[in-house]
Amino acid sequence: AQKVTQAQTEISVVEKEDVTLDCVYETRDTTYYLFWYKQPPSGELVFLIRRNSFDEQNEISGRYSWNFQKSTSSFNFTITASQVVDSAVYFCALSEAHNSGGSNYKLTFGKGTLLTVNP
Amino acid sequence: DGGITQSPKYLFRKEGQNVTLSCEQNLNHDAMYWYRQDPGQGLRLIYYSQIVNDFQKGDIAEGYSVSREKKESFPLTVTSAQKNPTAFYLCASSMYRSNEKLFFGSGTQLSVL
Repeated sequence: AQKVTQAQTEISVVEKEDVTLDCVYETRDTTYYLFWYKQPPSGELVFLIRRNSFDEQNEISGRYSWNFQKSTSSFNFTITASQVVDSAVYFCALSEAHNSGGSNYKLTFGKGTLLTVNP
Repeated sequence: DGGITQSPKYLFRKEGQNVTLSCEQNLNHDAMYWYRQDPGQGLRLIYYSQIVNDFQKGDIAEGYSVSREKKESFPLTVTSAQKNPTAFYLCASSMYRSNEKLFFGSGTQLSVL
């Protein structure tokens, strides 16, 4: 059964610090997709990134970077020079095929990490 | 602007009452989803629909019902059989399947009076 673990329930940092949010996943499939979503206080989840299991290249987008390591089943998210606007709950999620034909996928979310960036 | 609209933002339910949460999208997406979020518990899938007039149970469907009569609309009814309905409910959509990027609404907070 697929599972996503975000061991850090809450993290608090001071502005301009770098912070890494951990995500560890479990899956039996060789084809799967990993996601990060941000949930600010307004409540709406915002998509940040999607990675498929065949693409282990790390990605950088501005102050955000993602480190995907299949060997350790991890997909960690780093915010460089954090800002107050980064304060939110961050969710890691895993999608794997629910049937052999690959037309139906099951998406599982981790429990989220609450990041607070203090000025 | 394309997006997902959920209403109302806050909803109160009396004991024994059914309530319906609205979700409308103008993204022309085939797939729509309902998630329940409890504090510290992440998101759990209630129901999803990949095409009009068809929907599937998620992990916690008991006490809930849905319909998908139009592509744009996926209302969720919280029935009196749901004994612990207090939660934040999120509607989402994607082009076809859940291995794609999901677009979310701003949620409905349901509380019991």
